[in-house]
Amino acid sequence: AQSVTQPDIHITVSEGASLELRCNYSYGATPYLFWYVQSPGQGLQLLLKYFSGDTLVQGIKGFEAEFKRSQSSFNLRKPSVHWSDAAEYFCAVGAGSSNTGKLIFGQGTTLQVKP
Amino acid sequence: SAVISQKPSRDICQRGTSLTIQCQVDSQVTMMFWYRQQPGQSLTLIATANQGSEATYESGFVIDKFPISRPNLTFSTLTVSNMSPEDSSIYLCSVAGTSGRDTQYFGPGTRLTVL
Repeated sequence: AQSVTQPDIHITVSEGASLELRCNYSYGATPYLFWYVQSPGQGLQLLLKYFSGDTLVQGIKGFEAEFKRSQSSFNLRKPSVHWSDAAEYFCAVGAGSSNTGKLIFGQGTTLQVKP
Repeated sequence: SAVISQKPSRDICQRGTSLTIQCQVDSQVTMMFWYRQQPGQSLTLIATANQGSEATYESGFVIDKFPISRPNLTFSTLTVSNMSPEDSSIYLCSVAGTSGRDTQYFGPGTRLTVL
């Protein structure tokens, strides 16, 4: 069965520091991978996605993620964190062998940014 | 990307009552989904709302508890029936195109509290 693991429940970084949020997935075929961000009281906003091709994908707000098949990982990175990046981050994998469109989400990582 | 609205944005309900949540999209979409996000938890797919046919429910969710309507390609409703405090969650709808590779866009969510 497909699954997504975000090992870090809570991360705190200083403003201006670099950031890496980890995501590991379990999926038999080539996965469709997504990172979403949820600010307090808000819905989910798509940061970036990977379907195929270049394994380093660029997203909005200066985020990028790298797909590593050998490690079953899709870690999210940002070189310099801003205070407005404080939010909940979810990694998700597209599930189903057909065009079901279903997503399976990880447990989420809460990012706190220190001034 | 699609613009999605949900009504109500939040509600406080009494045990044993039912609440219907509306999801409206500004364009025609093939796939619509309903998710639940329990307090401090990740998102769990409740069902896929199919236009013109019954919804497809995930394991652990049943039609009697969460009836869903999808009368057209831009609108869907989710009813939470015979509510208990355990139903207190954020309910989100999402939409996608025709392919399982299509990105899902999420509505702002409905925050439900059951007393």
